Amino acid sequence: AQSVAQPEDQVNVAEGNPLTVKCTYSVSGNPYLFWYVQYPNRGLQFLLKYITGDNLVKGSYGFEAEFNKSQTSFHLKKPSALVSDSALYFCAVRGPSTSGTYKYIFGTGTRLKVLA
Amino acid sequence: NAGVMQNPRHLVRRRGQEARLRCSPMKGHSHVYWYRQLPEEGLKFMVYLQKENIIDESGMPKERFSAEFPKEGPSILRIQQVVRGDSAAYFCASSPPGTGNLGNTIYFGEGSWLTVV
Repeated sequence: AQSVAQPEDQVNVAEGNPLTVKCTYSVSGNPYLFWYVQYPNRGLQFLLKYITGDNLVKGSYGFEAEFNKSQTSFHLKKPSALVSDSALYFCAVRGPSTSGTYKYIFGTGTRLKVLA
Repeated sequence: NAGVMQNPRHLVRRRGQEARLRCSPMKGHSHVYWYRQLPEEGLKFMVYLQKENIIDESGMPKERFSAEFPKEGPSILRIQQVVRGDSAAYFCASSPPGTGNLGNTIYFGEGSWLTVV
């Protein structure tokens, strides 16, 4: 069965510093990977996705993610963090389930706190 | 182009009552997903539907919960005889047609917050 892990509950980073939010996955076959951001009391907003092609994917708000097949990882990155980036970040994978359907499985989320 | 619309945004129910949460997908989207988010927890998959068909309900509790997506109208998540443990945020998401297009992005609504008192 497919799964995704976000090993850090919270990441703290100083404003202006680079940030990384980690994600590893497990899926049979080719992975389809996504990152979403959630602000308090709001729905999830799509940031970026990896389907195929370049391992470095660029997305919204200056975020990017690097797909690493050998390490089964899809870490979210940003060169220079902003206080307004503080939010809850979710990694998701899409792959086949035991029923043969293709649902999106989300990690437990990582809370990013950018300190001024 | 309106996004995914969920209502009500907030719902308070007494134990034993029924809760009905509605979701209208984005225009052109025919697949709907329901997720539950408990306080300080991640998103748990509940059910995946297309019009008039449940594709995957492996995340739905066996009792009291049901979902539908009729030919006309919004998708409905129904919780009968609610208990305090049902208090959570329920998110709906939609995607374009094509189960085989695994790269489709799903787009989320703003959620429905259910509080059971």
